Amino acid sequence: DTGVSQDPRHKITKRGQNVTFRCDPISEHNRLYWYRQTLGQGPEFLTYFQNEAQLEKSRLLSDRFSAERPKGSFSTLEIQRTEQGDSAMYLCASSQNSLGANVLTFGAGSRLTVL
Amino acid sequence: TQLLEQSPQFLSIQEGENLTVYCNSSSVFSSLQWYRQEPGEGPVLLVTVVTGGEVKKLKRLTFQFGDARKDSSLHITAAQPGDTGLYLCAGASGSSNTGKLIFGQGTTLQVKP
Repeated sequence: DTGVSQDPRHKITKRGQNVTFRCDPISEHNRLYWYRQTLGQGPEFLTYFQNEAQLEKSRLLSDRFSAERPKGSFSTLEIQRTEQGDSAMYLCASSQNSLGANVLTFGAGSRLTVL
Repeated sequence: TQLLEQSPQFLSIQEGENLTVYCNSSSVFSSLQWYRQEPGEGPVLLVTVVTGGEVKKLKRLTFQFGDARKDSSLHITAAQPGDTGLYLCAGASGSSNTGKLIFGQGTTLQVKP
């Protein structure tokens, strides 16, 4: 296992377009998280899954954002009708309950630029 | 709303110098973590502190959790250019064991050779 994988690493899109990011967590990890990081700031929590269940969503996650983890393995984060304010690094992380849910392994992130 | 404030936000020092980064809050955290992040990459966990007053060492890095579990510090001895990066503290609130972390805004460290 090579860790948490995210795809694409970079995405440039025009305002109003939809984008989708994919995250493949560490295979034995049952929890998966999405965070957003803007330039010069620390990551902000967006949402997390335990297996396929989405257990919590931040108020930062507007109606244009939707995340899924259909089979409890990989996850997708879709942003509809992108706005310039959505430009950020979208980080995925995973953890295993038995090791401590707060011990997160992050992916390299997907950087979104909305023109 | 729980907040973590880091200071300083930027630090540029010469190789061999010592430095301390602070992470403060008015809220109590059940645990606190320190991460290091390089440009274009995700944060990498350095350490987790759980007990008030706890001190952990990782080679030249010393981490301390405040007695009241509201603050933490990271001290680097004899900094090297390889220590350059963004240092982030992150707290797990209350009895939370959900992996939902609150991050500070980060301290950008530049170590010049």
